Amino acid sequence: NAGVMQNPRHLVRRRGQEARLRCSPMKGHSHVYWYRQLPEEGLKFMVYLQKENIIDESGMPKERFSAEFPKEGPSILRIQQVVRGDSAAYFCASSPPSGTGNTGELFFGEGSRLTVL
Amino acid sequence: KNQVEQSPQSLIILEGKNCTLQCNYTVSPFSNLRWYKQDTGRGPVSLTIMTFSENTKSNGRYTATLDADTKQSSLHITASQLSDSASYICVVKGAGKSTFGDGTTLTVKP
Repeated sequence: NAGVMQNPRHLVRRRGQEARLRCSPMKGHSHVYWYRQLPEEGLKFMVYLQKENIIDESGMPKERFSAEFPKEGPSILRIQQVVRGDSAAYFCASSPPSGTGNTGELFFGEGSRLTVL
Repeated sequence: KNQVEQSPQSLIILEGKNCTLQCNYTVSPFSNLRWYKQDTGRGPVSLTIMTFSENTKSNGRYTATLDADTKQSSLHITASQLSDSASYICVVKGAGKSTFGDGTTLTVKP
């Protein structure tokens, strides 16, 4: 029973390039969350998605960042025109559908570490 | 505004010693509180969940307490081991999304 899978684990981009981070939730999970963790800081909520819907994007920067969770395939966090301040670890978490014994536990992936040169 | 505050920010203890981490929250309404452990370079993993009616819950050498009246929780680690070195994150779920504390970084030294 595979856990939350994130790839790539490490990504290096130059300023101005695009970064795409992928997240496959645990089997049977339909809720996906993205968090950003800057060095020596805590996890900061970015966006909460269900299949084909963005439920809460209150933590997403207004520009350059977007997220999707299509009907088929992984969730994608896309960062356009990256800047050095985007360097961070990006964690994806998933949880089962509401009402199916969902206690709110988030199952995290191992993260994708983005370095912007 | 929903907030979760953890203390201390960091802690260094000797192997075999006990320690207690604190979490204060203002999340309302309250659904549950979880403690997560995040090893360096890894994703967080849930240690324990506390609901409104629970005061104490243990998971091996980890014991979590909850005082819903004062909105405080603690995580007590007994007989610490080197592998306990990690960040411990308090997460409180209310009506909507979960609110994360900034974590306590624990270092266990031999």
